[in-house]
Amino acid sequence: RKEVEQDPGPFNVPEGATVAFNCTYSNSASQSFFWYRQDCRKEPKLLMSVYSSGNEDGRFTAQLNRASQYISLLIRDSKLSDSATYLCVVIYGGATNKLIFGTGTLLAVQP
Amino acid sequence: NAGVTQTPKFQVLKTGQSMTLQCAQDMNHNSMYWYRQDPGMGLRLIYYSASEGTTDKGEVPNGYNVSRLNKREFSLRLESAAPSQTSVYFCASDRSGETQYFGPGTRLLVL
Repeated sequence: RKEVEQDPGPFNVPEGATVAFNCTYSNSASQSFFWYRQDCRKEPKLLMSVYSSGNEDGRFTAQLNRASQYISLLIRDSKLSDSATYLCVVIYGGATNKLIFGTGTLLAVQP
Repeated sequence: NAGVTQTPKFQVLKTGQSMTLQCAQDMNHNSMYWYRQDPGMGLRLIYYSASEGTTDKGEVPNGYNVSRLNKREFSLRLESAAPSQTSVYFCASDRSGETQYFGPGTRLLVL
């Protein structure tokens, strides 16, 4: 079983739709959680951190469920520019060498 | 402020050839990392350097060596390239041990 698992997609949604991605992690000692965005043939960039109480940044909402060991990302009112791969990232124990990336979920927003 | 820069952007090697991938950051970050990204595998850590003068192995270090030349620069060397090292290589850096900033990547093809 992979340490961080994501549905690879692709998720094909029309503009304006709401879409949600889930990510599960296997190590209950995981301490920090993030969503990164990666555009085609570009580097990953931090989208948002995920806090225990949940957090929102504009159209994006991240949730953490420690009991079930999953995090989620909700995108409302999808834009064409949201088309990208979304990477789930988990850190174990605060050690920098334990930054674990999921394989990513591909989102394609259609006009 | 250029962030994280990498050279070269693209490289084609023959099996057995050697090369060095260069990475530099101008954000005064202590930690630097080298990842490789392969389809379906996600980002995997090759080596990291928690501070100037220190380097440690990551998940997939075999076939690679690194040098933390100073606080700004972290290079990755392939002594004898193999087709299995065909990949996209990303350098990253961080200050706090959480949010990582990535370079634009180096696309390497080993024939």
